Amino acid sequence: RKEVEQDPGPFNVPEGATVAFNCTYSNSASQSFFWYRQDCRKEPKLLMSVYSSGNEDGRFTAQLNRASQYISLLIRDSKLSDSATYLCGRSGGSYIPTFGRGTSLIVHP
Amino acid sequence: NAGVTQTPKFQVLKTGQSMTLQCAQDMNHNSMYWYRQDPGMGLRLIYYSASEGTTDKGEVPNGYNVSRLNKREFSLRLESAAPSQTSVYFCAIRPGGNRGNTEAFFGQGTRLTVV
Repeated sequence: RKEVEQDPGPFNVPEGATVAFNCTYSNSASQSFFWYRQDCRKEPKLLMSVYSSGNEDGRFTAQLNRASQYISLLIRDSKLSDSATYLCGRSGGSYIPTFGRGTSLIVHP
Repeated sequence: NAGVTQTPKFQVLKTGQSMTLQCAQDMNHNSMYWYRQDPGMGLRLIYYSASEGTTDKGEVPNGYNVSRLNKREFSLRLESAAPSQTSVYFCAIRPGGNRGNTEAFFGQGTRLTVV
């Protein structure tokens, strides 16, 4: 079992929709959590870090649930330009970042 | 990502050939990582270097070697390339030390095909 699990999707949503992704992790010693965005044939780029209290950046909201060992990403008012693969990541005492396989999002007109 | 530079960006090798993938950073970060990304497999760690002078194996180290030449540079070597090493290779960096759990930054990747 991978340390970080994500539903690969694809999630196919219309413009303006709200979409949510979950990501579960197995290592309870995990300390830091992240969401990355990866466009086709490009490198992953940090979308946002995930803090214990939850955090928001414009249309994007990330939350952490330590008890259930998952993090979530909510995208409101989806844009065509949001189409990409979203990777969740975590790291812990070893300081080695590990990542899920990614969730594909397709936003259509 | 201007902070992490990978060369080359594309490479085609014949089975059995060797090559070195280069990674250089200008962010003065301590920790550097090599990942490979394959369809459906996500990012898998090959080797990492927590700080200058140290290297350690990751999840999939077989067939690879690494060198942390100095704080800026971390190279990945394939001694005898195999078709199973066809992949996209990403170098990543993090501050390390007491800032060890901050986010990682990735290079633009090297697309390697072994025929």
